[in-house]
Amino acid sequence: AQSVTQLDSHVSVSEGTPVLLRCNYSSSYSPSLFWYVQHPNKGLQLLLKYTSAATLVKGINGFEAEFKKSETSFHLTKPSAHMSDAAEYFCVVSDRRGTYKYIFGTGTRLKVLA
Amino acid sequence: EPEVTQTPSHQVTQMGQEVILRCVPISNHLYFYWYRQILGQKVEFLVSFYNNEISEKSEIFDDQFSVERPDGSNFTLKIRSTKLEDSAMYFCASSEQGQGSDTQYFGPGTRLTVL
Repeated sequence: AQSVTQLDSHVSVSEGTPVLLRCNYSSSYSPSLFWYVQHPNKGLQLLLKYTSAATLVKGINGFEAEFKKSETSFHLTKPSAHMSDAAEYFCVVSDRRGTYKYIFGTGTRLKVLA
Repeated sequence: EPEVTQTPSHQVTQMGQEVILRCVPISNHLYFYWYRQILGQKVEFLVSFYNNEISEKSEIFDDQFSVERPDGSNFTLKIRSTKLEDSAMYFCASSEQGQGSDTQYFGPGTRLTVL
């Protein structure tokens, strides 16, 4: 079965410092992986996705993620945090059995300190 | 940019009452989904829908739940007799092709509170 594990439920960084949100996946197939962000009282917005092309994926708002098959990881990074990055971040794998429903991680809440 | 919309944003109901949550997917999308997020828990898949029928459903999606595409634009989730444990944020999503690499676009959600 496919699954994702987000290793940190909460991450705090200072504004202007790097962000690292960790995600590990489990999949019998070559996975499609996504990062979504959820701001308070807002819906889920796609940040970026990996679909077996380039292993380093660039997304919106300066975020990027690197797919590492040997480590079964898909960590999300950003060189310099901004106050507006404070939100909940979800790592997602698309389930290749059935109808490609999304399987979500438990989420990481990012706090950005002034 | 096209987006998925959902109404209402908040719904409060009494236990045992029926509720209908409404979604308008992106117009050229063919695959539709409902997910829910109980407060403090992860987002969970409920059901997927294609070509006017359910493609897949989770164990959560029991006989109390139903989905429908009553016209060319709306996609609804009905809960026949709500329970306290149905209190959650419900997200509708749509995708163009239903493939593994396809992006699902999510609506802003409906927060359902069952009293």
